[in-house]
Amino acid sequence: DAGITQSPRHKVTETGTPVTLRCHQTENHRYMYWYRQDPGHGLRLIHYSYGVKDTDKGEVSDGYSVSRSKTEDFLLTLESATSSQTSVYFCAIRGQGYNSPLHFGNGTRLTVT
Amino acid sequence: ELKVEQNPLFLSMQEGKNYTIYCNYSTTSDRLYWYRQDPGKSLESLFVLLSNGAVKQEGRLMASLDTKARLSTLHITAAVHDLSATYFCAVPIIQGAQKLVFGQGTRLTINP
Repeated sequence: DAGITQSPRHKVTETGTPVTLRCHQTENHRYMYWYRQDPGHGLRLIHYSYGVKDTDKGEVSDGYSVSRSKTEDFLLTLESATSSQTSVYFCAIRGQGYNSPLHFGNGTRLTVT
Repeated sequence: ELKVEQNPLFLSMQEGKNYTIYCNYSTTSDRLYWYRQDPGKSLESLFVLLSNGAVKQEGRLMASLDTKARLSTLHITAAVHDLSATYFCAVPIIQGAQKLVFGQGTRLTINP
């Protein structure tokens, strides 16, 4: 267990509502990531962070924003949820060291109706 | 744009048999990662391959990397039911942070 907690674990929301997912880490790692997982696509990077207030876009960032005001917390916001954002969302941290693998949280299953 | 492709995407095999999962990627990389995911669970890191010719083994799984061919293989020896899972390879985009691009995943089912 790499000390990553995602909340909530499950959420159902309606189209057009804003949604915020939280990722909390206890190990003071610099790099944090948000991925989404959909059948047939593997995992796709939404946004990542390389430090407090330092974030950048991934390959599927449209419709999402992120914030990192503290080292331990990385928030993902769906500004106006759409059905295409129904997915499983994983937060990850990079371990210490340039070649360290990513360690993933348990995921948040989001359903947009 | 980096593309990572795995094949096969689905694999059903019998216990005791050997098989190989292939991971091809489209641009130069000197590192590659393999992950395992059980149904409804998170991803678990299996192997980190850091150079051309790298080989790592853990139990019945062995991974290798050929950076010149842009190919990694995950070989399963004498499969057992406990190895049933989805396996992903991932390649980092070289510049900047370690942003991983994942393959589609290979769903492996091992039947008694």
